[in-house]
Amino acid sequence: AQSVTQLDSHVSVSEGTPVLLRCNYSSSYSPSLFWYVQHPNKGLQLLLKYTSAATLVKGINGFEAEFKKSETSFHLTKPSAHMSDAAEYFCVVNTSGGSYIPTFGRGTSLIVHP
Amino acid sequence: DTGVSQNPRHKITKRGQNVTFRCDPISEHNRLYWYRQTLGQGPEFLTYFQNEAQLEKSRLLSDRFSAERPKGSFSTLEIQRTEQGDSAMYLCASSPPGLASEQFFGPGTRLTVL
Repeated sequence: AQSVTQLDSHVSVSEGTPVLLRCNYSSSYSPSLFWYVQHPNKGLQLLLKYTSAATLVKGINGFEAEFKKSETSFHLTKPSAHMSDAAEYFCVVNTSGGSYIPTFGRGTSLIVHP
Repeated sequence: DTGVSQNPRHKITKRGQNVTFRCDPISEHNRLYWYRQTLGQGPEFLTYFQNEAQLEKSRLLSDRFSAERPKGSFSTLEIQRTEQGDSAMYLCASSPPGLASEQFFGPGTRLTVL
């Protein structure tokens, strides 16, 4: 069984300040973890993924995430928010030993103030 | 453009009518997924194909919903006797072989049932 919890439905930051979007997962096997971004009226786009290699994963647009097995977390961070980062972010888990059906979190809406 | 395409992009129908959506995945991807997304929620899994075989179908999926992928290429999703509760964005995604493979999403079909 697998599940994912995004701890915040909304995160509000000022432009130029750090971003932290929190994600906790549960899985019976080794997980693959993903973050996707969805801008208004656009399709989902992969930001980054973790697949049991380096625990610190770098993605596009300056985002990165750290896999912490002891905390079952995969939080997404960015040092300095840009107005264009305002979007919906989804944390996704998929586990070996199961089907190839990823489980999505309910999403975190990132709001960036000028 | 070699991404995932979906048609139509928008569909407005009256309650009780049947609708059919099409998804064209990236050509070398053997896996194809359908999701439904409502406002403020993450994508909800509907069904999954590996090549032409439909391997999983959500238990939440009404028998009014059916999907096909006859030659392992494009897929169709049909909703019979539509209800107002079917109004949502219907997303298609494809992925290449491998558990750690990310999904590539189409732009979605927005269904409005009047």
